[in-house]
Amino acid sequence: KAGVTQTPRYLIKTRGQQVTLSCSPISGHRSVSWYQQTPGQGLQFLFEYFSETQRNKGNFPGRFSGRQFSNSRSEMNVSTLELGDSALYLCASSLVSSLGDTQYFGPGTRLTVL
Amino acid sequence: QKEVEQNSGPLSVPEGAIASLNCTYSDRVSQSFFWYRQYSGKSPELIMSIYSNGDKEDGRFTAQLNKASQYVSLLIRDSQPSDSATYLCAVNDNFNKFYFGSGTKLNVKP
Repeated sequence: KAGVTQTPRYLIKTRGQQVTLSCSPISGHRSVSWYQQTPGQGLQFLFEYFSETQRNKGNFPGRFSGRQFSNSRSEMNVSTLELGDSALYLCASSLVSSLGDTQYFGPGTRLTVL
Repeated sequence: QKEVEQNSGPLSVPEGAIASLNCTYSDRVSQSFFWYRQYSGKSPELIMSIYSNGDKEDGRFTAQLNKASQYVSLLIRDSQPSDSATYLCAVNDNFNKFYFGSGTKLNVKP
């Protein structure tokens, strides 16, 4: 079974621009979560989507948004980029079980904001 | 604010030794617990999941959970240089929200 895929893998943008990242979950997984990872802050939760609805949200400004499509693919958008948005953005898809979700990560998109 | 605490390390062990990684969490009602391995520049990779008190073994890895004391640990037996990575502890609460520790960096010296 194919793993989580993320595109693009690398991005370079300038301040003030916007960016859209894409994530395709493992087949059959309906939950997609997004994280930001920086050396200083570790893994920070952005939001989670399940069946096209945002189910959980972290503490990020409104410049960060996401959506999920009917095929469970998800996109996240960052508007008005700031230097501090430079990070590895990780997508994780989850298989729901009676014991709870288990998250599997994609390879990530490394965003550099100049 | 729910928290997951890990010693940042680095934890250095010689090749062939047992590496012991620890994690504590603040939310008593947490349901499931995970260990991820992350190599530098790569994404986290799931190693183990554990849901009930006690030990769970998978090859050279053993996860240990103690809900009363709110800690979870990972033992790596016969450590290899290829085990050198950052190990992330993650906790899933009742609302399917994940909380990650900041990770422990492990160095296995040949």
